[in-house]
Amino acid sequence: EVQLVESGGGVVQPGGSLRLSCAASGFAFSTYWMTWVRQAPGKGLQWVANIKGDGSDKYYVDSVRGRFTVSRDNAKNSLYLQLNSLRAEDTAVYYCARAMSDRFEFGGQGTLVTVSS
Amino acid sequence: DIVMTQSPLSLPVTPGEPASISCRSSQSLLHSDGNNYLDWYLQRPGQSPQLLIYLASNRASGVPDRFSGSGSGTDFTLKISRVEAGDIGVYYCMQALQRPITFGQGTRLEIK
Repeated sequence: EVQLVESGGGVVQPGGSLRLSCAASGFAFSTYWMTWVRQAPGKGLQWVANIKGDGSDKYYVDSVRGRFTVSRDNAKNSLYLQLNSLRAEDTAVYYCARAMSDRFEFGGQGTLVTVSS
Repeated sequence: DIVMTQSPLSLPVTPGEPASISCRSSQSLLHSDGNNYLDWYLQRPGQSPQLLIYLASNRASGVPDRFSGSGSGTDFTLKISRVEAGDIGVYYCMQALQRPITFGQGTRLEIK
């Protein structure tokens, strides 16, 4: 069973930074793409970023490219999302998920990022 | 970017009755491998999304056979044969054909 635990969220001022973490268990972490998906309060789902199993390929939605960085530590079965230059519109619950070519598998409760002065 | 459009956005249903949600994509989701890269997710209140259907018509592990997916190209449908109270939440379609991955706006299913 895919188990994912997101952490690292909090309240940050506009222009600030945060680092989100996702601890994975229950599967061979290093062999899977992983993804971050976010959900603004009361809104729908938005894909944010993907990273290949070995970390060699990364993709981002246009609105975060250049500000967010996805990374992973396969020795620790952990996924990360570094959020820089945060804006009010980045306020959301951030979920990590296991990504296959044709689907996402979520397993955590997400972590809330609030960007506010 | 591929735009995903769901309808209806709100769906009141009586328990035991069927329900149907439509999802249309702005481009065909049919891959050269013959599969349609369209998924359905359910997000129950306060929870993360749960995969229901992948590749348009394949039920995910543990998903009851009351749920079925159909469609091809740009038109897709999720059907629930008999709605139960535990089915309430927001249903999303998602295209996995090309980046950026995009979701529909969501359809809120509520019990009458």
